[in-house]
This record gives sequence, C-alpha cells and structure tokens, in this order.
Amino acid sequence: AQKITQTQPGMFVQEKEAVTLDCTYDTSDPSYGLFWYKQPSSGEMIFLIYQGSYDQQNATEGRYSLNFQKARKSANLVISASQLGDSAMYFCAMREARMGYNKLIFGAGTRLAVHP
Amino acid sequence: DAGITQSPRYKITETGRQVTLMCHQTWSHSYMFWYRQDLGHGLRLIYYSAAADITDKGEVPDGYVVSRSKTENFPLTLESATRSQTSVYFCASSESGSVNTEAFFGQGTRLTVV
Repeated sequence: AQKITQTQPGMFVQEKEAVTLDCTYDTSDPSYGLFWYKQPSSGEMIFLIYQGSYDQQNATEGRYSLNFQKARKSANLVISASQLGDSAMYFCAMREARMGYNKLIFGAGTRLAVHP
Repeated sequence: DAGITQSPRYKITETGRQVTLMCHQTWSHSYMFWYRQDLGHGLRLIYYSAAADITDKGEVPDGYVVSRSKTENFPLTLESATRSQTSVYFCASSESGSVNTEAFFGQGTRLTVV
C-alpha cells in the first residue's frame, strides 16, 4: 500500500504567487516525521522542512511552510512568493517510529514550474 | 571532503553483468539508504542499514545486494543487471533512526543497462 501519496504530477504557478503542493500519508504509528525535499534540474536532493507528528504548530522555514492536518493525514507544502528558482521536483517523505529499525519513504513527487 | 559521495556518477553496463555502486559518508551517520529514482515512481527504497552489519530490505530489493562492514561505506551490488534496473540511484545517510532526523543525499549515480 502506498504510504505517501502526492496526487499532483505537475503544477505551475506565476512568479510571486503562493502555491500548495499536496501530500497525504498513511501510518498507524502515533509518532512519525514528515519531510519535504526539493530536487532541481541539477539532480541533488535538498532538505526543505520537517514536521513532527506531535508538533503543535505548523513548521515554517523562510518561504516554506507546512500545512499539517493530522486528522486528515495531510502535510501540504506551501511556498509563498514563488521565485523562478523554485522550479523543481518536490518530494514528500515520512519516517515512522516503530520497534526495530525505521525507513524513510518517499512519494512520487510533484514537478513545479514557476512562470515569469 | 566531508559529506556523502557516490561513485561512479555514470555507468553503462551490459545485461547480465555484475555492477557495484559505491557510497561513502564522512559523518559517521548510523543510518544509510539506497533509493532508485524512476519517472512516475519518485524515490523507492531498495535497502537500508541501521548500523554496520545491520541491513534490511526496502520496497524494491529484488536483484540487489548490499553490505555494510564499515559504518562509512554502503555499497549496492546488482548481481546480474537487467534493463529494468536502468535508473538513477541515490545513496543517503542520517545521523540516527529518530523520526525527526533528515537524510542527506549523495549526487546520484545514473546507471544504464544495455
């Protein structure tokens, strides 16, 4: 079963506008972490933001914020004031706390294009 | 140089050959991961390791073998390469297995099986 679902294969946004990239997840663990990574065309994976399942507030990092809705099991990434350099693939990922060793599982990604 | 490095960056191999992708990290991170990235599938976990001599299967382990005799190295071997294993392979490491610990990625290895 898919643990991380990103339903938007591609999105586009006008420069300087905000955009939301969707991510839903599936877990029965009460303790888990959610991550967003950016992959520009050069190929490297860049960590953007983290949200813990017990965090009371939504995470923010500069222009990135995470709209965390625990009951809906969604962790959408919001990019404010989009810039041309934000054009990239974006991946949502999750780590679950469990007995033994835990993994880091990714979704299929969303390709974002920022238009001038 | 500090960080996580993969080698080679590009590799072309023939069907049926054995090929090993190397991954080395200088942080002494306990966890290491191997992913493959294919269009439409995102990053899929092949194998991961919680420490030296501790490895476990991920989502797509068939056709791959890993070992981790030293903390800093986590090689991935394709025992008999197939065309379906043409992909971009990423190695990653994280300081621990805690849910709040992000992973750091290597630059990737583009493997083509002909």
